[in-house]
Amino acid sequence: KNQVEQSPQSLIILEGKNCTLQCNYTVSPFSNLRWYKQDTGRGPVSLTIMTFSENTKSNGRYTATLDADTKQSSLHITASQLSDSASYICVVSADDSWGKLQFGAGTQVVVTP
Amino acid sequence: ETGVTQSPTHLIKTRGQQVTLRCSSQSGHNTVSWYQQALGQGPQFIFQYYREEENGRGNFPPRFSGLQFPNYSSELNVNALELDDSALYLCASSLKFEDTQYFGPGTRLTVL
Repeated sequence: KNQVEQSPQSLIILEGKNCTLQCNYTVSPFSNLRWYKQDTGRGPVSLTIMTFSENTKSNGRYTATLDADTKQSSLHITASQLSDSASYICVVSADDSWGKLQFGAGTQVVVTP
Repeated sequence: ETGVTQSPTHLIKTRGQQVTLRCSSQSGHNTVSWYQQALGQGPQFIFQYYREEENGRGNFPPRFSGLQFPNYSSELNVNALELDDSALYLCASSLKFEDTQYFGPGTRLTVL
């Protein structure tokens, strides 16, 4: 069973609108959580990284939140742009993983004009 | 661009053949991780190399093997290719094994 679950699997939003993506994880002991953006056919690019003590982190129009107690994270995209169309992947690192990361399956976001 | 390069970009092989994929890490990075990403799925960890030593391995059979060279570039070798090996293979480099990883563009492998 995947230790990182993302929802929704995909979503379509109008340009200029906001959206929120969800990530639930069971990875333990927890070290950090990252959100990556992956354009089709390209490698993932890091958006945010949060440790246990952080509950929010922003990168431009992207804002990630983390609730380590409930093991949930969200990624909020504000004022979406066409270039935001991509897969957004939640990645969780365990404290004893020696760099092994647990990847979610991603949420495919399509921004339409 | 992350500074991580991979070659080739695309590759077509037949079942039973062997393949070698290459990765040049970002300058100064001594850790390389390899991932397999099937269509519509998140990447799956294959293994990681830190200063030329294997530093961890995911749930992949021994026919998946790797190397890291003194300049920290890396190879992924897959023997006895199977149809299910068709995927995007990503490498990621970092300064240390616990740091943020920077991904290359990937190699798209198709096994016929």
